[in-house]
Amino acid sequence: QQPVQSPQAVILREGEDAVINCSSSKALYSVHWYRQKHGEAPVFLMILLKGGEQKGHEKISASFNEKKQQSSLYLTASQLSYSGTYFCGTVTVGGGSNYKLTFGKGTLLTVNP
Amino acid sequence: SAVISQKPSRDICQRGTSLTIQCQVDSQVTMMFWYRQQPGQSLTLIATANQGSEATYESGFVIDKFPISRPNLTFSTLTVSNMSPEDSSIYLCSVVPGHSTDTQYFGPGTRLTVL
Repeated sequence: QQPVQSPQAVILREGEDAVINCSSSKALYSVHWYRQKHGEAPVFLMILLKGGEQKGHEKISASFNEKKQQSSLYLTASQLSYSGTYFCGTVTVGGGSNYKLTFGKGTLLTVNP
Repeated sequence: SAVISQKPSRDICQRGTSLTIQCQVDSQVTMMFWYRQQPGQSLTLIATANQGSEATYESGFVIDKFPISRPNLTFSTLTVSNMSPEDSSIYLCSVVPGHSTDTQYFGPGTRLTVL
């Protein structure tokens, strides 16, 4: 089951903040966030595991609400280098030997000077 | 972490032909995956290729069209058979180096154009 991402696209000025949401209709074991620039492979940002947690990496952080089966990615004081397509990937409960990472459709983030 | 290389990085092929994509990892990994990314789209899992077992294909993908080999813990191949223009995509291999809670790393991808 593909997770749903919102918004589909967002345009920011440098220094502004953004939130990207990811929701699932199934119970989640983990949520993975990636950024992909045009013509490049997806780059791992962070992973959030079942148990509900928040993680941070410089000015990019994420939260995971297990009960709501939702995750949000927070980008603060955006930089030009943040531009790209952000994908959330989810592993649903019952993975184990059936581990499978399913990606949302992506959110195109554009940061302008 | 894991460093993944893919060959070829890109290719232009004629319809009806086949192309084999290679994926090499710098460390031994159990779990390996093949994804397809069509232009402007998300990543779609083609199959899981764990060493020691037959590849497991996702709905919409069949072994005759996308045969996979996984001869050891550091290498895999994906063949795109009897290609049509609809197969034009980026094909990416990815690995989970350790436990299933670990990060999934992606190779650089193979950009395939079918004429």
